[in-house]
Amino acid sequence: GAVVSQHPSWVICKSGTSVKIECRSLDFQATTMFWYRQFPKQSLMLMATSNEGSKATYEQGVEKDKFLINHASLTLSTLTVTSAHPEDSSFYICSARQREADTQYFGPGTRLTVL
Amino acid sequence: GQNIDQPTEMTATEGAIVQINCTYQTSGFNGLFWYQQHAGEAPTFLSYNVLDGLEEKGRFSSFLSRSKGYSYLLLKELQMKDSASYLCAALDSNYQLIWGAGTKLIIKP
Repeated sequence: GAVVSQHPSWVICKSGTSVKIECRSLDFQATTMFWYRQFPKQSLMLMATSNEGSKATYEQGVEKDKFLINHASLTLSTLTVTSAHPEDSSFYICSARQREADTQYFGPGTRLTVL
Repeated sequence: GQNIDQPTEMTATEGAIVQINCTYQTSGFNGLFWYQQHAGEAPTFLSYNVLDGLEEKGRFSSFLSRSKGYSYLLLKELQMKDSASYLCAALDSNYQLIWGAGTKLIIKP
C-alpha cells in the first residue's frame, strides 16, 4: 500500500508555544489530505480536509485560526497548533488519498503533550 | 443524518473465527472501508468494498450488502496480534469518510 509519513512522532511543548506537524505522501501524489485528532479510548475525529493549493475545510467546532493547515504541494501538508494549551494534548493523525474514491492511507501519528 | 453502527467490544478465542458487523446510513454511498488500529498507533487499511459480495484477503474477509446497508469483517484463525480496534467507515456522496466508533476486539488464549 501507499506510504504516508508524519513528523515528529511525538512532541512535548510548553503552554503558549506553537507546534508544527508535517505529513508527507512518499510514493503517491495526494490531492487531498485529512487531519484527525484522537483522544485516548475515543474514535477518530476529523478536524479538516485540505486539497492541494486551496484553503482547508474545517469541521464544525475546529478553530481554523488555532489549527493552521497548509497543503502547498501534492506530497506535503502541515498542521500548526498555535498557542498550544494542555487541552490540545492529543494524538494527531494525518491521512492522504490520491483521488476521491481512493483509500485513505494514514501516517503513523504525532503524540502532542502540552505542559 | 449519517450514521455508522458497530459493536463497542467483542471477545474471541485464539484460533477461532469472529465476525464484526457494521451497519451504515449515509447520504449516497461510494464504498465501505475497514481499518485496523492497534492501541497507540494510527489506523491501517484492511479492505474496501463497493460491490455486493465477499472479498477475501488471507485470514481477513469483508462482506457488503448495499441494499441492507450492511457490512461485516470476518477474521479467521485468530492470533493474539489481532487484538485491536476495527474501524468501519463509509464513503458518502461527497467522498467523505463517515467513521464508526470502532470495535475493540479482545483475543483470549
